[in-house]
Amino acid sequence: GQQLNQSPQSMFIQEGEDVSMNCTSSSIFNTWLWYKQDPGEGPVLLIALYKAGELTSNGRLTAQFGITRKDSFLNISASIPSDVGIYFCAGQSGSGGSNYKLTFGKGTLLTVNP
Amino acid sequence: KAGVTQTPRYLIKTRGQQVTLSCSPISGHRSVSWYQQTPGQGLQFLFEYFSETQRNKGNFPGRFSGRQFSNSRSEMNVSTLELGDSALYLCASSREFPGELFFGEGSRLTVL
Repeated sequence: GQQLNQSPQSMFIQEGEDVSMNCTSSSIFNTWLWYKQDPGEGPVLLIALYKAGELTSNGRLTAQFGITRKDSFLNISASIPSDVGIYFCAGQSGSGGSNYKLTFGKGTLLTVNP
Repeated sequence: KAGVTQTPRYLIKTRGQQVTLSCSPISGHRSVSWYQQTPGQGLQFLFEYFSETQRNKGNFPGRFSGRQFSNSRSEMNVSTLELGDSALYLCASSREFPGELFFGEGSRLTVL
């Protein structure tokens, strides 16, 4: 089946630093979604990408849909303590209905040291 | 607007029992999907319902089942619980599937 390789698995950074994480796959995706999950909570949607090459920002977050449609990255600028959590990428494939598939990466655990 | 609501938030069961989890989607969302989250396997897709019909199914045994009601609310059931079923079960709703999924806070199931 489809697999997403998300890296790094974990990061430990100082407050104020920039962060970059990415997801790659051997499969092509139509949409990329990035989520953040806090302990004991459900994932919260951060950014959705719908076109190859698309670059989208949401505050200090920036994400890009790779040109090959097989990868995506997420950058966080000027990290703050509340950025701590697990970040997931998810790739959507298929044409909808019963042909649809959503695959999640294993997540990147981000720790920010104040 | 109210988010996705899952009940119960926490529950403890013993092996062999069954459990039913409930999910109320965001108003106007017709698609409800369920995921199992464990530390080792990450987020695994269980199934997706749209207009009371199961449209997609993941690779889980038949002990895992679900349904959707006419008001889009959904339930999932796990029968004959096993220790390995201990996990956070997440429900997500969207207007359509594929689309932007909005997750609930999850139901944490512990099987003893």
